[in-house]
Amino acid sequence: GAVVSQHPSRVICKSGTSVKIECRSLDFQATTMFWYRQFPKQSLMLMATSNEGSKATYEQGVEKDKFLINHASLTLSTLTVTSAHPEDSSFYICSASGGSGVTDTQYFGPGTRLTVL
Amino acid sequence: AQRVTQPEKLLSVFKGAPVELKCNYSYSGSPELFWYVQYSRQRLQLLLRHISRESIKGFTADLNKGETSFHLKKPFAQEEDSAMYYCALAGGGNKLTFGTGTQLKVEL
Repeated sequence: GAVVSQHPSRVICKSGTSVKIECRSLDFQATTMFWYRQFPKQSLMLMATSNEGSKATYEQGVEKDKFLINHASLTLSTLTVTSAHPEDSSFYICSASGGSGVTDTQYFGPGTRLTVL
Repeated sequence: AQRVTQPEKLLSVFKGAPVELKCNYSYSGSPELFWYVQYSRQRLQLLLRHISRESIKGFTADLNKGETSFHLKKPFAQEEDSAMYYCALAGGGNKLTFGTGTQLKVEL
């Protein structure tokens, strides 16, 4: 149980285009989803937290107009990188949690490798 | 602000030797600490959390508030333990702050 999927696993796009990444909780309802970014050989950096039906909360330094997050249902959150540039190339990982505890286990997706040419 | 420090990027041990992966944290509130593991070509997964006080795959970790540490230990390393290990701290809103990770390599 507690499986999180991401699609696509890998995407290459041209500079200036927008890319959408989906994160799905397959067998549980995710009240909260998190989006992380991971640079090569570095740690995961939290970008934003999204709760179903409400606006995402972005971490300091993350441009909300650049990284659009939608959490329209309890099983799906999307991250859209708008007008992508080469510096946006990175590994994007989502996680989902769905319990009622104060600190719930986060289940991670396999990640999406974005390359912007 | 919350911070997690893992001082070792790489830890290499022989099979059967004890393992200790270091983790120190900085947090003004009451912390909740986790260890996550990422095996080669697999996703990040929870190994253990301090609140559970359990042993998973032979690994244990004790929260030491005096030393602000949450070191991960295993008495006898196995080859299958080779992986990337991340220490993480949960602050407000269930947000996780990750350390930079330690690559554990268990050699035969």
